Formats: sequence, C-alpha cells, structure tokens
Amino acid sequence: ETGVTQSPTHLIKTRGQQVTLRCSSQSGHNTVSWYQQALGQGPQFIFQYYREEENGRGNFPPRFSGLQFPNYSSELNVNALELDDSALYLCASSLRERTSRVDSPLHFGNGTRLTVT
Amino acid sequence: AQSVAQPEDQVNVAEGNPLTVKCTYSVSGNPYLFWYVQYPNRGLQFLLKYITGDNLVKGSYGFEAEFNKSQTSFHLKKPSALVSDSALYFCAVREVSSNTNAGKSTFGDGTTLTVKP
Repeated sequence: ETGVTQSPTHLIKTRGQQVTLRCSSQSGHNTVSWYQQALGQGPQFIFQYYREEENGRGNFPPRFSGLQFPNYSSELNVNALELDDSALYLCASSLRERTSRVDSPLHFGNGTRLTVT
Repeated sequence: AQSVAQPEDQVNVAEGNPLTVKCTYSVSGNPYLFWYVQYPNRGLQFLLKYITGDNLVKGSYGFEAEFNKSQTSFHLKKPSALVSDSALYFCAVREVSSNTNAGKSTFGDGTTLTVKP
C-alpha cells in the first residue's frame, strides 16, 4: 500500500507571504487531517477534510485554509505568514466508514518543515 | 474539551528492563485512545489503540497499554526495553461521540524514551 506523502519536505518563506503544502493520502483512505507541530510540542489539530468538506477545525485563524480533492489528496494554504507559523506541518489520512462512529487510526506523512523569516 | 497530559518529558531505562510511559486524559464522553511513536525527522507512527473491551491492549513492537477508567490513564508499557525503542512517544485522545464524526485527535507534548545498553 502507498503511504502518506507530503511535499515539499522543507520550505523557507518570508513573513507576509503565502504558502501551499500538499499531501497524498494513503491508498484506501478517505479522510485527511492537518496538524502543526512546533518544536518540543505535540501535534496541534488544524482541521480535517472528509468528502471534500471541512469536518472539524482546531483553534487556528481563517488564514489557515485547506482543500480536499476527489482523489482524497489535500492542500494546506497559509496566508500572511507570521514568524510563529514556523513548524513541522503533518498530514495524516484515515478511513471513515459509514457504519462506524470513529475513524481508523491516523497514518502520518513525514511532514513539511516550514521556516518563516 | 479534550486534553492529554504526559507528565514526564524524559524516561530513561536500561536495555532489558521494563518501561512505562505515562499518559492521563480528559474527555467529556467516552475516549478513543492512541499511542504513536516519532523518530527524528519523521512523521508519527501508530503503535496501538483502545476504544472498548479488554483494558490491556497489545500493539506493535511488543508494546502494550493499560486503560484505567477510574484514573483516566492510558500508560504505555513494554516488558523488556530495546535500545531501538529510543524515540519520542505521544499519547492521543479522541472523543467517541454519537453526534459527530469529526476526527480531532488531541496529543500530549510527548515523552522522550532513552534506552541505554
């Protein structure tokens, strides 16, 4: 099976710029979640997409937005970058079945390391 | 709201000795609990989960975890540690809700496990 892949692996941007991060889900998965992991901290939930719609959002401002495509791949867009946005951005996919109230465990990509200067 | 606490930033054990990595959680409903492991410059890797049933769950690489509802704990254990178990371990909780399928997982800040030869 194909795992979760993220691109790019590293990115350096200037404050105020915009960035797009990309993620391909694991084959067979239909749900994608994005997390921000700052240095020395656990991942913080940004949002989740299911059926191409946002399905849950964490405590992040609207300048963090996303998309899910029909093939279940996803993008995370961040506008007006701030220095505090520097972090590892993790994409995770999972399977949601109609008969279940819970998703399968998350399968993570290796992340995109974003540095904002 | 849901939260996870990992009270120890660091756990050191000798190879061959048993290890325990502690986790306590808080959710308003029934918990769905996970342990993940993270190696340097990599994404998180699923180890094991608890949703219902036997309080002792077994996972990958010989790890197990014990769910204790009265103490709201989900400690990770292994009877005999290996040097290769050295990594960063994260506990996570998700609420099993009949009202939503939103898959927000809340992670602790992680515990660095070091196993010395």
